[in-house]
Amino acid sequence: AAGVIQSPRHLIKEKRETATLKCYPIPRHDTVYWYQQGPGQDPQFLISFYEKMQSDKGSIPDRFSAQQFSDYHSELNMSSLELGDSALYFCASRQGNEKLFFGSGTQLSVL
Amino acid sequence: SQELEQSPQSLIVQEGKNLTINCTSSKTLYGLYWYKQKYGEGLIFLMMLQKGGEEKSHEKITAKLDEKKQQSSLHITASQPSHAGIYLCGADKIKTSYDKVIFGPGTSLSVIP
Repeated sequence: AAGVIQSPRHLIKEKRETATLKCYPIPRHDTVYWYQQGPGQDPQFLISFYEKMQSDKGSIPDRFSAQQFSDYHSELNMSSLELGDSALYFCASRQGNEKLFFGSGTQLSVL
Repeated sequence: SQELEQSPQSLIVQEGKNLTINCTSSKTLYGLYWYKQKYGEGLIFLMMLQKGGEEKSHEKITAKLDEKKQQSSLHITASQPSHAGIYLCGADKIKTSYDKVIFGPGTSLSVIP
């Protein structure tokens, strides 16, 4: 069965650089979520999209933006990267209130 | 403030022992999820509970949601080293179809062979 696909798996950037993370949700899932998980922390909600429209916003810095495209894939754009942005970034998707499936995550390291 | 509480924070058990992890909310939940995570890896879906009093089992793991839908427990029978990892409970706070899932702080489980 298809799963949530995230790319890249690992990303190393320097401070003040930009990064783009991609997410391909499970087909026919109508909602996509982005989460950030710092070391030893639980996943923190960043932003979500329902049918390609932003549906909710969490603790996402103004330096970050996201969008969902016509083919339902989503991208998280991160600019002016800071050391504190180093974390595991997860994308998740689901249909309605059904099970929430997570991708394997993108490990971002900012040096 | 943390909306979902988990206990214990960490757990070390001998292989073969049973264990229980709890997840508690002060508010009624519309969906309760249990995930397992290995360090630096993705979240693996374990169970989803939606009805008060619901109980589900998969292999040696059983999860229950109380009648008030404010507390869930995850029980592992005859633990094995493969059960080691971080167990996270997640919950839907409201019933809309696109609401975010919030997570508890996690319970770290170590199983000693």
